[in-house]
Amino acid sequence: AQSVTQLGSHVSVSEGALVLLRCNYSSSVPPYLFWYVQYPNQGLQLLLKYTSAATLVKGINGFEAEFKKSETSFHLTKPSAHMSDAAEYFCAVSLTDSWGKLQFGAGTQVVVTP
Amino acid sequence: DVKVTQSSRYLVKRTGEKVFLECVQDMDHENMFWYRQDPGLGLRLIYFSYDVKMKEKGDIPEGYSVSREKKERFSLILESASTNQTSMYLCASSTRTVSYEQYFGPGTRLTVT
Repeated sequence: AQSVTQLGSHVSVSEGALVLLRCNYSSSVPPYLFWYVQYPNQGLQLLLKYTSAATLVKGINGFEAEFKKSETSFHLTKPSAHMSDAAEYFCAVSLTDSWGKLQFGAGTQVVVTP
Repeated sequence: DVKVTQSSRYLVKRTGEKVFLECVQDMDHENMFWYRQDPGLGLRLIYFSYDVKMKEKGDIPEGYSVSREKKERFSLILESASTNQTSMYLCASSTRTVSYEQYFGPGTRLTVT
């Protein structure tokens, strides 16, 4: 069965510093992978997705993620953090033969300090 | 743009009450989902529907039921609300093709007292 592991439930970064959020997955076949962001008291919004095209995926708000099959990873990065990046971030993987279900990680809360 | 709406942003109910949470999507998506979100646990799937009148249990269906009489609407029912059902409830929809990207509603924060 597929699973998703996000390393670090809380990450604190300084404004202007690199944001790095880690995600590892387990899957027997190449999956579809997603990063979502959730601002306080809102639903989830798609940041970016990997669907077996380019391994480096660019998303909204300056975020990008790289699919590394050998490491079964899909880490999310942003070169320079803004205060507006403070939110919770979720990694998700599509489930095989599942009619579209996704398995979500536990989430990483990002705090941006001035 | 895809829009997923949920009937209430905040809801307070008493123990034992029957609770209905409604979700409507406007993109003709086949799939609809109900999740529960609790701190440190991420999103857990309660129920999933892949077509009108079709449903499948998710990871935590106990204490919940669902109804999908029309393609655009998916209802979550708490038959007899309990305090351990206090949570954020998120609805989502997706197509059954392409990349399975899910679109989420704003969530309903339910408090059961």
